[in-house]
Amino acid sequence: RKEVEQDPGPFNVPEGATVAFNCTYSNSASQSFFWYRQDCRKEPKLLMSVYSSGNEDGRFTAQLNRASQYISLLIRDSKLSDSATYLCVAPSGTYKYIFGTGTRLKVLA
Amino acid sequence: DAGVIQSPRHEVTEMGQEVTLRCKPISGHDYLFWYRQTMMRGLELLIYFNNNVPIDDSGMPEDRFSAKMPNASFSTLKIQPSEPRDSAVYFCASTEDFTDTQYFGPGTRLTVL
Repeated sequence: RKEVEQDPGPFNVPEGATVAFNCTYSNSASQSFFWYRQDCRKEPKLLMSVYSSGNEDGRFTAQLNRASQYISLLIRDSKLSDSATYLCVAPSGTYKYIFGTGTRLKVLA
Repeated sequence: DAGVIQSPRHEVTEMGQEVTLRCKPISGHDYLFWYRQTMMRGLELLIYFNNNVPIDDSGMPEDRFSAKMPNASFSTLKIQPSEPRDSAVYFCASTEDFTDTQYFGPGTRLTVL
């Protein structure tokens, strides 16, 4: 099993739709997680951190499910500008973070 | 703040040549990471430094790859000799604290012919 796994997609959704991605991780001791966004031919940028209690930032909600070892990202009221690849990040060991291969989202007009 | 700076942005070279990629982290950031991104393997951590000291280089593919950080404001990733399978985008990232946000540079797109 990979340390961090994501559905590569693409997820094609209409504008205004709600879409959710999951990311599974294998290290049960992991404490901190992140979602990054990467636009085509650009560098990854932090979207949001994932806290144990969940985290909401406008239309974006990130949640952690420790029992099933996955994190999720929910995007409400999708915009065309949300089209990107979303990378989840989980710890591997004490001093190492592993990036997932990303989930591609296309929001359609 | 200038952000993480990488050079060159694009590099095209021939198999067997030496390639040197450069990175200037954000001032004050104690951690520096080198990643490689390909369609097949995604974003892979190659090596990271803390206070200029290499901490984990387990991701470095083989002896052809080497990385240095002679001071807090400069790091290099060298490939010698280069091979076509090294073609990828190489990112450098830095962070102030290990559990904090990593700030990525724009990347170097390497093509080895």
